[in-house]
Amino acid sequence: GEDVEQSLFLSVREGDSSVINCTYTDSSSTYLYWYKQEPGAGLQLLTYIFSNMDMKQDQRLTVLLNKKDKHLSLRIADTQTGDSAIYFCAETHGGQGNLIFGKGTKLSVKP
Amino acid sequence: KAGVTQTPRYLIKTRGQQVTLSCSPISGHRSVSWYQQTPGQGLQFLFEYFSETQRNKGNFPGRFSGRQFSNSRSEMNVSTLELGDSALYLCASRETVYYYNEQFFGPGTRLTVL
Repeated sequence: GEDVEQSLFLSVREGDSSVINCTYTDSSSTYLYWYKQEPGAGLQLLTYIFSNMDMKQDQRLTVLLNKKDKHLSLRIADTQTGDSAIYFCAETHGGQGNLIFGKGTKLSVKP
Repeated sequence: KAGVTQTPRYLIKTRGQQVTLSCSPISGHRSVSWYQQTPGQGLQFLFEYFSETQRNKGNFPGRFSGRQFSNSRSEMNVSTLELGDSALYLCASRETVYYYNEQFFGPGTRLTVL
């Protein structure tokens, strides 16, 4: 099947860490991505992880991948009000390249 | 380099009309993909064009069509518009269609069907 699931909302306080979770069902997914969408804007690629990796760190962002459970997470350290946005988890299959997205998690950061 | 541009940014149509949306990819990018974003269905893949050929298609009715020109610019057309076609239509470009090529998204065209 081709289904990517995310919780819809997350609220954190400024300075805390945010953890956004995602599950996917297609074990053949090659790459897994996190995109950010701010109001009125398109999608911005934040980071991605290849399916043979467990973890990837990029400044304040840490991606963890558990292939056995088909679980992907994005941790944002020291969350700022500018991080308020909708975060989408996405996967691609083999050589097709088209992205399959989750419904998005709306992150609200309270000062 | 300029980013992906989409025109128009906003569009209002009535049921039964048709509409054409345009996407100009980043210079040098030969692949253009289209996605539909709605509150109910989320982001769904419409189709991808590479070198003027459709290489992949999502699960949308034939009313949705597209094309790509020799300069890699792409248009998508929706005929006989329905209320449910109201959505944000996003275009994304990438250099090629190899395993991993980052897709860069435009700001989208907001289509409202009345």
